[in-house]
Amino acid sequence: RKEVEQDPGPFNVPEGATVAFNCTYSNSASQSFFWYRQDCRKEPKLLMSVYSSGNEDGRFTAQLNRASQYISLLIRDSKLSDSATYLCVVNVPNFGNEKLTFGTGTRLTIIP
Amino acid sequence: EPEVTQTPSHQVTQMGQEVILRCVPISNHLYFYWYRQILGQKVEFLVSFYNNEISEKSEIFDDQFSVERPDGSNFTLKIRSTKLEDSAMYFCASSEYPGGYEQFFGPGTRLTVL
Repeated sequence: RKEVEQDPGPFNVPEGATVAFNCTYSNSASQSFFWYRQDCRKEPKLLMSVYSSGNEDGRFTAQLNRASQYISLLIRDSKLSDSATYLCVVNVPNFGNEKLTFGTGTRLTIIP
Repeated sequence: EPEVTQTPSHQVTQMGQEVILRCVPISNHLYFYWYRQILGQKVEFLVSFYNNEISEKSEIFDDQFSVERPDGSNFTLKIRSTKLEDSAMYFCASSEYPGGYEQFFGPGTRLTVL
């Protein structure tokens, strides 16, 4: 099983629609979870951290299910500017040394 | 808003040459990282660095790679003898606390090995 697995897409969604992405991770000891977005040939930019209780930031909602090792991201009222690749990112603890492990990303295109 | 900066934005080199990629992390951050992304592939961890020491490195980070913090602001990645397969985007990142906290990425250096 891949460390972090995402549906690569592409998701082509009309402007204003709601879209959801899912991600699974393999290491049950993972402690921290993030969604980053990456525009073409640019750096990953932190979109939001994902907390156990779920969290919302404007049009974006992230959920974590530790039992199923599953993370989700919901985007409501999608905008053209939301077109990007969304990266599911998991922190893998390793005796105090920690690194981020990235999924391959889900590509989203918002259609006018 | 403070940000991570990287130079150069694009580096072209001949196979076998040495390259040094430079990064200036966010000033109050203490943890530094290098990642790479081969075109069309996922972002991969290379190395983490704290208190002037490597904290962790991946299997990609072999003897051809080294990192250094030569002064209070710069963080460098050196590739001693570049190979064609080293062609990738190299991202520097920094965080205020260890990996469980958010890491902020620089704009990257695109390395092309000919």
